[in-house]
Amino acid sequence: AQKVTQAQTEISVVEKEDVTLDCVYETRDTTYYLFWYKQPPSGELVFLIRRNSFDEQNEISGRYSWNFQKSTSSFNFTITASQVVDSAVYFCALSEAREGNNRLAFGKGNQVVVIP
Amino acid sequence: EAGVTQSPTHLIKTRGQQATLRCSPISGHTSVYWYQQALGLGLQFLLWYDEGEERNRGNFPPRFSGRQFPNYSSELNVNALELEDSALYLCASSSGLSGANVLTFGAGSRLTVL
Repeated sequence: AQKVTQAQTEISVVEKEDVTLDCVYETRDTTYYLFWYKQPPSGELVFLIRRNSFDEQNEISGRYSWNFQKSTSSFNFTITASQVVDSAVYFCALSEAREGNNRLAFGKGNQVVVIP
Repeated sequence: EAGVTQSPTHLIKTRGQQATLRCSPISGHTSVYWYQQALGLGLQFLLWYDEGEERNRGNFPPRFSGRQFPNYSSELNVNALELEDSALYLCASSSGLSGANVLTFGAGSRLTVL
């Protein structure tokens, strides 16, 4: 069974500090997909990134960066120079690649609070 | 392009009543997913519909049911409401059946059971 663990429940940082969110996953499949979503106070989950299990290349997108390490089953997310608008709940999620099994398993989320 | 729309935004019911929540997917998306986000429990997968059929179901009792209409919109019904059903219900849509698909979420329907 697939499982996603986000250990830190709430993280507070002062504006312009960096914040890293840890995500550890479990799956028996060799092919799978990992996602990060952001949930601002409005409630709507916003897609940030998708990674497949064969692509361990790290990625940077603006102030966001992701570190995927298959050896430790981790897919961590860093916000550099945080801003107040980054305050939200961030979810890591896992989907197995088998067709017909299209359900995302989410971690419990990290509440990020950026203090001005 | 319109996103995933859900209605109602808020719904207040009492124990034992029934609740119906509605979802319209993004145009061209055939799959609709329902998730429950209850306080402290994270996002729990409820149901997945594609092309009018129920494809997968999460670990929820049968009083949680739904359907998908020919226009791909969907309805979630919760019968015999219990206090613990109070939650944000999120609908998402995608195209295709692959686990690689990105789900696009709506803003949710907040159900309060008194």
